[in-house]
Amino acid sequence: GENVEQHPSTLSVQEGDSAVIKCTYSDSASNYFPWYKQELGKRPQLIIDIRSNVGEKKDQRIAVTLNKTAKHFSLHITETQPEDSAVYFCAAMDSSYKLIFGSGTRLLVRP
Amino acid sequence: DSGVTQTPKHLITATGQRVTLRCSPRSGDLSVYWYQQSLDQGLQFLIQYYNGEERAKGNILERFSAQQFPDLHSELNLSSLELGDSALYFCASSGGDTIYFGEGSWLTVV
Repeated sequence: GENVEQHPSTLSVQEGDSAVIKCTYSDSASNYFPWYKQELGKRPQLIIDIRSNVGEKKDQRIAVTLNKTAKHFSLHITETQPEDSAVYFCAAMDSSYKLIFGSGTRLLVRP
Repeated sequence: DSGVTQTPKHLITATGQRVTLRCSPRSGDLSVYWYQQSLDQGLQFLIQYYNGEERAKGNILERFSAQQFPDLHSELNLSSLELGDSALYFCASSGGDTIYFGEGSWLTVV
């Protein structure tokens, strides 16, 4: 089955700097890769996603890149703001439609 | 609001008891997923249903079971509860790839 590894587990950046979170997946048949943001005690919220036929996708300050050959994908947040502080999860949907999550990255944006 | 409704929001119960968590998916979504999130942990996939049928199974304990009814709502049944079952249980639904989460049901086993 699919296995998703995510790093770093914690990331602290200064406001205005960029943050990068990286994930790798194991199932080469996986074709959908969403990213979720979760604030403490709340539900995960989809912030961006990418499908296997696309290499990069951008939405304002957030971008995701996908390298199918290397089986890794990354989340890039530019011009970080304190409200970006949260836990971010990557995920991969495998060939049996299971959405498997990485272990999460706790992002702290220092004002 | 994601459109996915979960009840109850909070539940406290004793060890050995049985509880049922309920989920109503977004209108039109055929897929329902259940996830478990223990304190400060990641999202563990439990099970997925599609249009009433089990579609994928994760690390769901034998003490846990789920089903999806003809009206597409789903229930997760947790029995013989242990302290370690205390967690936030999320239901999610999708009509395609994009998966939307409900607010979760907080289960505390004492």
